[in-house]
Amino acid sequence: GAVVSQHPSRVICKSGTSVKIECRSLDFQATTMFWYRQFPKQSLMLMATSNEGSKATYEQGVEKDKFLINHASLTLSTLTVTSAHPEDSSFYICSATSRNNEQFFGPGTRLTVL
Amino acid sequence: TQLLEQSPQFLSIQEGENLTVYCNSSSVFSSLQWYRQEPGEGPVLLVTVVTGGEVKKLKRLTFQFGDARKDSSLHITAAQPGDTGLYLCAGVHSYNTDKLIFGTGTRLQVFP
Repeated sequence: GAVVSQHPSRVICKSGTSVKIECRSLDFQATTMFWYRQFPKQSLMLMATSNEGSKATYEQGVEKDKFLINHASLTLSTLTVTSAHPEDSSFYICSATSRNNEQFFGPGTRLTVL
Repeated sequence: TQLLEQSPQFLSIQEGENLTVYCNSSSVFSSLQWYRQEPGEGPVLLVTVVTGGEVKKLKRLTFQFGDARKDSSLHITAAQPGDTGLYLCAGVHSYNTDKLIFGTGTRLQVFP
């Protein structure tokens, strides 16, 4: 099956700093990638849709200036959490859509903001 | 607004028992998927159902899509400790085929 990787798997940062998370489709091209956030013991909440070569589409309530998404190539999307605060601590998961519209999920990135 | 409600939220059972997890919505979905997620990992796809009334079996797991494509169920026969995890349903709306909306999740614990 298709493989999606995320880097880093874990990151701890100080409040006020910015953190970049990478999502890569390793063996297929993905024109669309999705970013999700998952708080402890909760389900996945869609944050935004990342479209290659165009601006991301954000879900209601998600600040686009705080969560910067860049989808510069068909295999890479990045999520930058700007001026991170402790409430941004969460498990961030990306997925990439294959040609037959099947979504493959990355292993997730655990962000802890001190 | 959570469009997909799962029940139960939590389930603790003994090995060998059977269980059913429900995924309900007032919205119609063009397809619905079931995932299992383990702590600290991304969700792993178990099955996709696309036709109303469809039933799919995956070893001890039986998945059903409602006739009206608004609900689904996952039945596990003779649960094993390895079935422990967070089970998530996720649907693709008929009118917006690129977004996957996740259910509220069911956390299953199977004790030996």
